[in-house]
Amino acid sequence: DAGVIQSPRHEVTEMGQEVTLRCKPISGHDYLFWYRQTMMRGLELLIYFNNNVPIDDSGMPEDRFSAKMPNASFSTLKIQPSEPRDSAVYFCASSSGSYNEQFFGPGTRLTVL
Amino acid sequence: AQTVTQSQPEMSVQEAETVTLSCTYDTSESDYYLFWYKQPPSRQMILVIRQEAYKQQNATENRFSVNFQKAAKSFSLKISDSQLGDAAMYFCAYRSAMAAGNKLTFGGGTRVLVKP
Repeated sequence: DAGVIQSPRHEVTEMGQEVTLRCKPISGHDYLFWYRQTMMRGLELLIYFNNNVPIDDSGMPEDRFSAKMPNASFSTLKIQPSEPRDSAVYFCASSSGSYNEQFFGPGTRLTVL
Repeated sequence: AQTVTQSQPEMSVQEAETVTLSCTYDTSESDYYLFWYKQPPSRQMILVIRQEAYKQQNATENRFSVNFQKAAKSFSLKISDSQLGDAAMYFCAYRSAMAAGNKLTFGGGTRVLVKP
């Protein structure tokens, strides 16, 4: 299996622009998670889905952030408009069932100028 | 809400020696899971070891072992016979065993440096 796939690996954009991060979970996994990693706040969960349905989005920082999972093999995290404080590494992870290991993707490093 | 604390920002170890990383957590739940993840410079998060709270026996995975003290809410990681490839950030993480509590709560991380 190819593992969790994220694109792009690096994204540099200017403040005010829309940013879309993409994730393909491991085939057969029914849970998908979006995490953000920053020096100040460490690793924090933004949102997670079960069977394509958002379960907990309490970690989404504000309305500028939105996430979708239109099908079992694809999810997006969108930031509109982006701000410099959104600069971070964004990870996608997936798991099979509630109690099994979460497999992480390689992350997307986002820089907002 | 659960919190996870790693009090050591950085630890240094000589190759082939042993290093222990500390982790404490705060929870009111009795059933949960604890994890140690490794993050090398490549950024990839790799699961090192997991522990179920209901198990008294400490988990081991080759050179990695934990000391789980449930009453003290402590979960330390021991790396034996350290190798250069062990150099990385290590994160302790907590996950509730409740059906709705699938999310991971991470500590702030400990950077491990391995000296040849």
